[in-house]
Amino acid sequence: DTAVSQTPKYLVTQMGNDKSIKCEQNLGHDTMYWYKQDSKKFLKIMFSYNNKELIINETVPNRFSPKSPDKAHLNLHINSLELGDSAVYFCASSLGQGATNYGYTFGSGTRLTVV
Amino acid sequence: SQQGEEDPQALSIQEGENATMNCSYKTSINNLQWYRQNSGRGLVHLILIRSNEREKHSGRLRVTLDTSKKSSSLLITASRAADTASYFCATDAGGNNRLAFGKGNQVVVIP
Repeated sequence: DTAVSQTPKYLVTQMGNDKSIKCEQNLGHDTMYWYKQDSKKFLKIMFSYNNKELIINETVPNRFSPKSPDKAHLNLHINSLELGDSAVYFCASSLGQGATNYGYTFGSGTRLTVV
Repeated sequence: SQQGEEDPQALSIQEGENATMNCSYKTSINNLQWYRQNSGRGLVHLILIRSNEREKHSGRLRVTLDTSKKSSSLLITASRAADTASYFCATDAGGNNRLAFGKGNQVVVIP
């Protein structure tokens, strides 16, 4: 039973396309996140949702739009993909609203390659 | 946002040896966490240490926290080949319910 599952694991697409990444957690956690990991393994938070409400929206191009239909799901839609969007995108979840008091559970990542 | 900085960034050791890595941060924190990332996988939470704690153990892991120096260390004792991974520290110093991650330490354990 995968706790935080992301699909797809790999995504190769052309510049200008629109793509989505899906994330689901079966842990009953209240808060979910999207992180971007670049080629140097630096992790940067993009978005966070608590019980379907957006609580963190970092300085991310508005081509990136998260959607949380319920607290177990947080999807990421990316419009007009650019070469610089190539990275590994991680979904994560944690308990509680003060989410930094708990460890995060990460998905296995989606490696996005824009060509 | 606040970032931890791990040091050293790459470490290669023989199986059975101990591995130590450090992390420094810039502003006050409520807690600090360490994560492991195996190649091609997601991060796995290892340990959380609160700002009022100085040391914490979990199996072969020992974490220390020195809030006066704004630094933490992660010690892996009796390393195994399976410990080969990148190790990240993360702090809540960025505020607003976010964890900010450092750059990560690559540890290679040679069998």
